[in-house]
Amino acid sequence: EPEVTQTPSHQVTQMGQEVILRCVPISNHLYFYWYRQILGQKVEFLVSFYNNEISEKSEIFDDQFSVERPDGSNFTLKIRSTKLEDSAMYFCASRHRDLKINEQFFGPGTRLTVL
Amino acid sequence: AQTVTQSQPEMSVQEAETVTLSCTYDTSENNYYLFWYKQPPSRQMILVIRQEAYKQQNATENRFSVNFQKAAKSFSLKISDSQLGDTAMYFCAFMVNSGGSNYKLTFGKGTLLTVNP
Repeated sequence: EPEVTQTPSHQVTQMGQEVILRCVPISNHLYFYWYRQILGQKVEFLVSFYNNEISEKSEIFDDQFSVERPDGSNFTLKIRSTKLEDSAMYFCASRHRDLKINEQFFGPGTRLTVL
Repeated sequence: AQTVTQSQPEMSVQEAETVTLSCTYDTSENNYYLFWYKQPPSRQMILVIRQEAYKQQNATENRFSVNFQKAAKSFSLKISDSQLGDTAMYFCAFMVNSGGSNYKLTFGKGTLLTVNP
């Protein structure tokens, strides 16, 4: 069964460093998302991506964040200068091109630790 | 804006018994979906069950069923014959079904369910 994959599973970085989190969505999906979950808290929407551009972003998704789909398969989230409060689990999700299929499929997540 | 409220931070149940997790939501939309996601200790997000708002019939998936009360904006999850593997955090989530919404999910804070042997 196809699945969303994410790499790395755990990333440790120093405050102020740039990180890139990678996701490979399911191949026939066209809608892509990043969510964040700070430890012990709820899952929060960061950004949605469709047709090679951001379709919506939350207040959390400030100028330090960016997303791109560089090669038609990978979907990346970049944090330009990490802060301590960026420590969280980051989930990628994708959705089928057919909007009647309303499920979002989640990847296993990347745990980001900012020291 | 949509909000999702899960009023039970933690619950426990004995193996083989039935438990109900509560969820309420607030929206002015009429066309939407509701979901329950399970997050075990591995932290993977797993879809348990979904409900289309236009359907009056409550969704069921094996031991999992929902009680969807649209007028009351309530969407509870019932787990029958609880199993140890059901121990997890359960999130209620809401999605507006329209292009302008970008189909993002809005989650509640979660309920930590522990199934005791």
